[in-house]
Amino acid sequence: EVQLVESGGGLVKPGGSLRVSCVASGFTFSNAWMAWVRQAPGKGLEWLGRIRRWSDGGTTDYAAPVKGRFTISRDDSKDTAHLEMNSLTTEDTGVYYCATEVGALDKWGQGTLVTVSP
Amino acid sequence: DIQMTQSPSSLSASVGDRVTITCRASQSIENYVSWYQQRPGKAPRLLIYTASSLHSGVPPRFSGSGSGTDFTLTIDTLQPDDLATYYCQQSYSTLFTFGPGTKVDLK
Repeated sequence: EVQLVESGGGLVKPGGSLRVSCVASGFTFSNAWMAWVRQAPGKGLEWLGRIRRWSDGGTTDYAAPVKGRFTISRDDSKDTAHLEMNSLTTEDTGVYYCATEVGALDKWGQGTLVTVSP
Repeated sequence: DIQMTQSPSSLSASVGDRVTITCRASQSIENYVSWYQQRPGKAPRLLIYTASSLHSGVPPRFSGSGSGTDFTLTIDTLQPDDLATYYCQQSYSTLFTFGPGTKVDLK
C-alpha cells in the first residue's frame, strides 16, 4: 500500500525554524518527484515547491512566498523528503502536506500541523 | 505566475443532481489542469489530470473537460460522499498554482 507519512510539525515562535519530514512506503521513492503543499486554517491549498529525483538532477523549485526561507531535500536511503523552514512568521501557520508529483499530485500524506505563534 | 480562478465559490445541491464547477486560467495552459477533492478534515485527493483523464479508483461520475483557459469539473448524480471542496491546479508552469476552491454541500 502506498503511504506518505509527515511528521515534525509543532509550535514554533516567529523567527524560528522547523523541519518537517515525509516518509514514503509502498513505491520506489527514488523514482519520485516530491512536492510540498500547505493549507492555512480555513484557507485553500498553496503549492510550496518540489524536488526532482536524482536522475533528473535532484533540483528544486519554490513558490515566491517561501523562496529563500524554505529548503526541500531528500534522502533516498531513508525514503524520506524534508522541508526545512526558516524565518517563520504567523503567515506560515497551517497543515503541511507532502505529495508525489507526476504532473499532477497523485499521492498525498495526511499532513502535519505547523503553528507559528508568540 | 499563472492565476487560477474558480466559480462558484460555493454551491448547494441535492443528491442526484448534476454539478458543474468552472476553473479559468490567467493565460493558456493547454490541458495542464488537475482537479482535487478535499473532504472535511482530510488530505486532498486527485480526481482528474490533464483536464479530462480520470485518476485510478475515481468513480466515473466525475469528469473533466476544457483546454486553453477554461476548464470544467462535472459530477454526475451527486452522492452524499461528494460533500467536499474541489480545487483546480495548473501544471503548465514550473511553479504550480491552485484555484481558490469550490465548496459543495448538500441541500
